[in-house]
Amino acid sequence: GDSVTQMEGPVTLSEEAFLTINCTYTATGYPSLFWYVQYPGEGLQLLLKATKADDKGSNKGFEATYRKETTSFHLEKGSVQVSDSAVYFCALSEVDTGNQFYFGTGTSLTVIP
Amino acid sequence: SQTIHQWPATLVQPVGSPLSLECTVEGTSNPNLYWYRQAAGRGLQLLFYSVGIGQISSEVPQNLSASRPQDRQFILSSKKLLLSDSGFYLCAWSRGGLTDTQYFGPGTRLTVL
Repeated sequence: GDSVTQMEGPVTLSEEAFLTINCTYTATGYPSLFWYVQYPGEGLQLLLKATKADDKGSNKGFEATYRKETTSFHLEKGSVQVSDSAVYFCALSEVDTGNQFYFGTGTSLTVIP
Repeated sequence: SQTIHQWPATLVQPVGSPLSLECTVEGTSNPNLYWYRQAAGRGLQLLFYSVGIGQISSEVPQNLSASRPQDRQFILSSKKLLLSDSGFYLCAWSRGGLTDTQYFGPGTRLTVL
């Protein structure tokens, strides 16, 4: 069945460091891919998404490219800030083979000044 | 603007007791509605989704049920809770289907003792 595998955390980075959070997926059809973020004390919210292969989602300096050949959707940011500290969830939705939505287990990121 | 409410925020219930969690959405009509659960150490799991009043799709067989008595109201229920029902329950809505952005409520932390 479909699934999403995220790199385990927690991740601790210094401010202005480069961030990569790995996400790979398995799917039987052609899924849409998402990154959701949960800031401390707030609800889960969409960060970015990509709906087809080679699409790049971007928002708030974060980027992720839908790579069908490697079944990956890694989240990257060139220079993290303290305000980026949050839990990041990779997610997949597939409607071609039945309505399914899967989240990864989440990766906690702490950025220190 | 749209808002989504969930209550209660936290709940402690004994094994075998009933459950009712409520979710309401304001500021939109005919939303798609979703219930998710996050158990300890696991990703968010889609439990139910609804595309309209009285229309419920179950993604995971369990002792939980969902109902949608009104357009913007989604209720998660159980007649008899199990220890394994403990977790964090999130309600979400979207304008479109599963490939559309989902907007999440604040969640309910359920502990079954």
